Amino acid sequence: KQEVTQIPAALSVPEGENLVLNCSFTDSAIYNLQWFRQDPGKGLTSLLLIQSSQREQTSGRLNASLDKSSGRSTLYIAASQPGDSATYLCAVGDAGNNRKLIWGLGTSLAVNP
Amino acid sequence: DTAVSQTPKYLVTQMGNDKSIKCEQNLGHDTMYWYKQDSKKFLKIMFSYNNKELIINETVPNRFSPKSPDKAHLNLHINSLELGDSAVYFCASSGLAGRRGELFFGEGSRLTVL
Repeated sequence: KQEVTQIPAALSVPEGENLVLNCSFTDSAIYNLQWFRQDPGKGLTSLLLIQSSQREQTSGRLNASLDKSSGRSTLYIAASQPGDSATYLCAVGDAGNNRKLIWGLGTSLAVNP
Repeated sequence: DTAVSQTPKYLVTQMGNDKSIKCEQNLGHDTMYWYKQDSKKFLKIMFSYNNKELIINETVPNRFSPKSPDKAHLNLHINSLELGDSAVYFCASSGLAGRRGELFFGEGSRLTVL
């Protein structure tokens, strides 16, 4: 049974720092992996989608990597800004089971000015 | 134009009542989902429909009944509401074109059962 873990659960950094959020999963048979952002009281916004055949994806200051063999993905945020403060969720698409997404509990990020 | 829209955004009701939440997507996607996010922020899938056909049905009480009249709509009806049903319900959709499998979410419907 696929399980997704995100570490740390919460992170507080000063503005301008580069930071790494971690996501680990127990079953390497995945369809894809997605990183989402959730602002308080809002829905989830897709940040990056990595297909199982890919190793990384980049969008602006964000870079996500995928290592299926070790069951890990990292989300790298460069030059963090207060506007990056949100909860970041990792979700792994199950290769079978109708590609159902298995979710981590998220990392709550606070970037302080 | 909102890609995935759900109504109502807030719903406060008494135990025992029946309520519905509606969802519409204008992205041309063929798969739609209902998720429940509880007070601990844990996100759990409830249902998934592909081309109006139910493909994922998690262990959800049968008081919850999804209905997909067409590919662009997925509604959720809840009978005999209970206190434990209080949560935020998110609708989402995904397609096979472009970034295959990418999920787009609505803003959520916060249900409070008193």
